[in-house]
Amino acid sequence: QVQLVQSGAEVKKPGASVKVSCKASGDTFMSYGITWVRQAPGQGLEWMGWISAHNGNTNYAQKLQGRVTMTTDTSTSTAYMELRSLRSDDTAVYYCARKASLGKFGQDAMDVWGQGTTVTVSS
Amino acid sequence: DIQMTQSPSSLSASVGDRVTISCRTSQSISTYLNWYQQKPGKAPKLLIYGAFNLQSGVPSRFSGSGSGTDFTLTITSLQPEDFATYYCQQSYSTLLFTFGPGTKVNIK
Repeated sequence: QVQLVQSGAEVKKPGASVKVSCKASGDTFMSYGITWVRQAPGQGLEWMGWISAHNGNTNYAQKLQGRVTMTTDTSTSTAYMELRSLRSDDTAVYYCARKASLGKFGQDAMDVWGQGTTVTVSS
Repeated sequence: DIQMTQSPSSLSASVGDRVTISCRTSQSISTYLNWYQQKPGKAPKLLIYGAFNLQSGVPSRFSGSGSGTDFTLTITSLQPEDFATYYCQQSYSTLLFTFGPGTKVNIK
């Protein structure tokens, strides 16, 4: 059974960058995509984008284009999400999740989630 | 972009009640609709994929229905562990996997 383990909490100043890691274990990392989702305090879920672990192709949410980069290191089965030019409204819990194609029709869904990484942006 | 709405935004129910949560999309997404449950301080959990397929290990009291633009998550006989926030999410547009705003199920 695959597990995703994320890096620890971060505190950053406005304008800085943060890089969150997500290490997969227990399954074939390159067979799936990794999605990143964030949740600001008391708010709902926001899809940030995803990366194919197979070929590195990415799709980013338009509002984050230019500030976010998602990468993978297949040698260590680890995905990374870097967010630059941090603002106070980037304060959130950041989740990685496996994007899998489920069922006989290959419906995409996030079926395995990391534990979340709290990123606090404060001066 | 596909817009998503959920109703109600919150509800109060008792153990044993039947609960229904609605999700509506701004354009037809066939059955590319997933449902997640999130408890405070925890990561979301996949309940239903493809509008009506029960994810492995999820109790059968959860069910999903709908297609096109209107979808429903039903919980028959609500259990204490079901008090949580529920999100729908579309996977039709691979460019943006939008989530609904969520429905919080409270104890009456």
